[in-house]
Amino acid sequence: DVKVTQSSRYLVKRTGEKVFLECVQDMDHENMFWYRQDPGLGLRLIYFSYDVKMKEKGDIPEGYSVSREKKERFSLILESASTNQTSMYLCASSFGPRGTQYFGPGTRLTVL
Amino acid sequence: DQQVKQNSPSLSVQEGRISILNCDYTNSMFDYFLWYKKYPAEGPTFLISISSIKDKNEDGRFTVFLNKSAKHLSLHIVPSQPGDSAVYFCAASGASNSGYALNFGKGTSLLVTP
Repeated sequence: DVKVTQSSRYLVKRTGEKVFLECVQDMDHENMFWYRQDPGLGLRLIYFSYDVKMKEKGDIPEGYSVSREKKERFSLILESASTNQTSMYLCASSFGPRGTQYFGPGTRLTVL
Repeated sequence: DQQVKQNSPSLSVQEGRISILNCDYTNSMFDYFLWYKKYPAEGPTFLISISSIKDKNEDGRFTVFLNKSAKHLSLHIVPSQPGDSAVYFCAASGASNSGYALNFGKGTSLLVTP
């Protein structure tokens, strides 16, 4: 079974703080993704990576950066958290360019 | 610009009946479609997929139908069970986005009542 884990289920941060969200997958998948899910907006892609040290912007990259130093780990960074970044953050991984994406349990981030 | 649209935010069905969830897409380059199911406070789980070379794919109680000319797909759940109550997301990918990323709809919340 594919396992995608995320470092925290719930996180509360203050405006202006630097926030790190970690994602680890154990299936040697090449591709990893970060989405955010908001009510009425569905899942929106923030960034994805198809190889170590490679990254591509998704639909809403503003205010975020990512890091992929190892194949199994993909980090999402909020350089200076703002209240409009309060959301559910979902990490996913897949094998191959058209592989099914497998999701982690999500991190519910609240920025006060 | 929403390329994958789920126009029904919610659907309520009685246990044992058929649930039909619909999805429309605008990008003719999409050639691979998936359905995900999501419970509250959990990540989406993959349910079923279909390639554009097919018009139907079945897996147990779940069947996905694809109508390419209408750019429409639907997910049928027969018979519906209370445990099927969740949010269902339609997703699509194709050559236009290098095939790596999925475009998701906004989701349809299904409630199956006993």
